[in-house]
Amino acid sequence: AQSVTQLDSHVSVSEGTPVLLRCNYSSSYSPSLFWYVQHPNKGLQLLLKYTSAATLVKGINGFEAEFKKSETSFHLTKPSAHMSDAAEYFCVVLSGGYNKLIFGAGTRLAVHP
Amino acid sequence: DTGVSQNPRHKITKRGQNVTFRCDPISEHNRLYWYRQTLGQGPEFLTYFQNEAQLEKSRLLSDRFSAERPKGSFSTLEIQRTEQGDSAMYLCASSLLLTGRNTEAFFGQGTRLTVV
Repeated sequence: AQSVTQLDSHVSVSEGTPVLLRCNYSSSYSPSLFWYVQHPNKGLQLLLKYTSAATLVKGINGFEAEFKKSETSFHLTKPSAHMSDAAEYFCVVLSGGYNKLIFGAGTRLAVHP
Repeated sequence: DTGVSQNPRHKITKRGQNVTFRCDPISEHNRLYWYRQTLGQGPEFLTYFQNEAQLEKSRLLSDRFSAERPKGSFSTLEIQRTEQGDSAMYLCASSLLLTGRNTEAFFGQGTRLTVV
């Protein structure tokens, strides 16, 4: 069965410093992986997706993620945090047969001035 | 607005009452999903439809829960005899399943249910 583990429930960074949100996945085959962001009182928004093409995936708002099969990881990064990046971030894997998205528990990102 | 629309946005109900939520997906999307999210947790899968057919239901979906998508367009999620543990955000998403691949899912803003 597919699953994802987000290694940090909370991450706090200063504005202008790099962001790293960690995600490990478990899958019996080559997975499709996503990062979604959820701002307070707003719907889930897709940041980026990996679907077996390039291993370095660029998303919106300057975020990137790198698929590393040997480490079963799909960490989300951004070179320089902005105050507006403060939100909840979810690492997501698509189940077998493309049937459903399986979410991690989420990482809450706080950005301090 | 051509996104996923959910109504109502908020619902407060007394324990034991029935509630119904509606989801209008993106018009050309053939897949529709329901998720439940409680505070501090990631969304949990409840059920999904392909067109009008309900193809999978989670163990989370007790017999008090029922979902329909009668014409393959909008969907409703009904909870009968609500309990306090049903308090959560109910999320709807839609996607387009093409041959061999599924496009990304687009989510609505959710219906927040509070059972008092």
